[in-house]
Amino acid sequence: KQEVTQIPAALSVPEGENLVLNCSFTDSAIYNLQWFRQDPGKGLTSLLLIQSSQREQTSGRLNASLDKSSGRSTLYIAASQPGDSATYLCAAGANNLFFGTGTRLTVIP
Amino acid sequence: EAGVAQSPRYKIIEKRQSVAFWCNPISGHATLYWYQQILGQGPKLLIQFQNNGVVDDSQLPKDRFSAERLKGVDSTLKIQPAKLEDSAVYLCASSIHSRGETQYFGPGTRLLVL
Repeated sequence: KQEVTQIPAALSVPEGENLVLNCSFTDSAIYNLQWFRQDPGKGLTSLLLIQSSQREQTSGRLNASLDKSSGRSTLYIAASQPGDSATYLCAAGANNLFFGTGTRLTVIP
Repeated sequence: EAGVAQSPRYKIIEKRQSVAFWCNPISGHATLYWYQQILGQGPKLLIQFQNNGVVDDSQLPKDRFSAERLKGVDSTLKIQPAKLEDSAVYLCASSIHSRGETQYFGPGTRLLVL
């Protein structure tokens, strides 16, 4: 069974700092790796999807990388803003998605 | 484009009562998912529909949970009878097809079982 782990569980950074969120998964037989954002009391918003044949995806200040062989993905956020404060979830996709428990990010103004 | 709609947004019931949640996916999306998210955890898939057929219900507690998607559009998830440990957020998501595609999530229904 796929196990997805996210480190750290929580992170506080001052505004403007660059940061990296980590995700690891145990089974490399995936179709894709997805990163989501979840705001308190809200559903999930898809941020980036990396197909298994790709190495990275970029959207604005966000960059996600995928290393299937080592079972790792990272989400890089450049020049963090207070509006980036949320919980970030990664999910390894096969026939369905297996989620990690998330990293709660707080960006301090 | 309208997103995934869910209702109700909040529900409080007592244990052993029954409850039902409704989901309307994005128009044209063939695949619909129900997830359970317990506080502090990531979402866990309960059931996946492709049109009106079940693709995966391996993690659905079938003794108390049931779900249907009769016309391949909207869906209902029912719990009967509810237990304290069913307190969670129930998320519905949809995608155009299934494998390898972005899933779009609704706002969720927050259930509290007392």
